[in-house]
Order: sequence, then C-alpha cells, then structure tokens
Amino acid sequence: RKEVEQDPGPFNVPEGATVAFNCTYSNSASQSFFWYRQDCRKEPKLLMSVYSSGNEDGRFTAQLNRASQYISLLIRDSKLSDSATYLCVVNPLHASGGSYIPTFGRGTSLIVHP
Amino acid sequence: DVKVTQSSRYLVKRTGEKVFLECVQDMDHENMFWYRQDPGLGLRLIYFSYDVKMKEKGDIPEGYSVSREKKERFSLILESASTNQTSMYLCASSSPRVDANTEAFFGQGTRLTVV
Repeated sequence: RKEVEQDPGPFNVPEGATVAFNCTYSNSASQSFFWYRQDCRKEPKLLMSVYSSGNEDGRFTAQLNRASQYISLLIRDSKLSDSATYLCVVNPLHASGGSYIPTFGRGTSLIVHP
Repeated sequence: DVKVTQSSRYLVKRTGEKVFLECVQDMDHENMFWYRQDPGLGLRLIYFSYDVKMKEKGDIPEGYSVSREKKERFSLILESASTNQTSMYLCASSSPRVDANTEAFFGQGTRLTVV
C-alpha cells in the first residue's frame, strides 16, 4: 500500500465552483503535513501547511484528521488560474538522523474551465 | 529569497554515459533530497542526506549514487545512464528541526533524456 494516497482525478470544474481533494496516509507517526501545487513542467511549490485545528488562506481551507489519517483541501470560488496538480505531502519521521522525509502523493489534477 | 538551484534544466545523454546532476541550496538546510517524477507515478525518493557525507537510500536507489561533500551541495550520479532513467529529476532541501515548518523547497527540476 502506498504511503500517501490521492485520487488522481482529473477534477474538471467550472469557474466559481467549490472543489475538495482528499488524501490518506499510512504512517501514523507522521508529524507534519502540507499541500503543494505543481504547474505543468514546473517544480512543486508550497500551497499551505495543514494543522489539526484546520487552517484557511483566502479561498483555500486545509484540514487534518489524525485519527482517520486523512487530509483535505477545499478550494472555494475556483479560478482559471487554480488549474494545476495538487500534491499531498506527509512527513514521517525517518529513523536515520531523526529526519523528516517528505513523502508525496501522486497528485490530483484540477482543471477549471470558463 | 530562498533558493535551491539545479545545474541544468534540460540534459540529453547517451546510454552508458556517467551523468552528474548538481544541486545547491542557500538555506543552510541539513536535509537534501533527490526525487524523480514520472507521469502517473508521482514523486519517488531516490536518495536523501541529513548531513554532510551522510546518505540514505530512498525508494528507488538502483542505478544511482549520491555525494554530499559540502552542506550546500548534493549531487546525483547516474553511473551508467539507461533509457529507463529518462525522467524529471527534482532536488529539494528542508530543515530537520521538529519545531520548524519542515516544508521542502524545490529546485526547478532537470529534465533528463537518455538516448
């Protein structure tokens, strides 16, 4: 079983729609969680961190449920510019050196159309 | 502005060549990583390093080696390039501190084609 699982999509939504992505992870010792955005042929960039209390950044809301080992991202009022791949990232603690190793889901593709 | 820089955006190499991919970060991060990204497979960890001269195998280390002689530089080496190593290679760095935001910062990627 892959450590971080995401629905690859694509999610094809009209402008203004609300869309939600989910992600599950298998390592219960994971300590930090993120959503990254990746545009075509570009490197991934941090969209937002995910906290147990939930956090919001403008139109974006992220939630973490440790008991269910589940992370979500909600995008409200979708824009054309939101079209991208969204990567769920979990940082389990690696035994060697006590380091956290960013572990990526395969990404969810979002296409926002006019 | 924080930076992770990879030496090449595009590379074309011949089968059997030894290939060096270089990565430099200016954030004084202890952790550095090499991933490859392929369609449908996502980012897969090749090797990582949590300190100078320290290295650990990731999920797909076969056919690769790494070198970390200085804290800011992490090199990926393809000992004898093969066509199945054609891919996008991404270098990243992060802080290992538990009280820090341990996000990973990425270089711009190297698209390697082996012919």
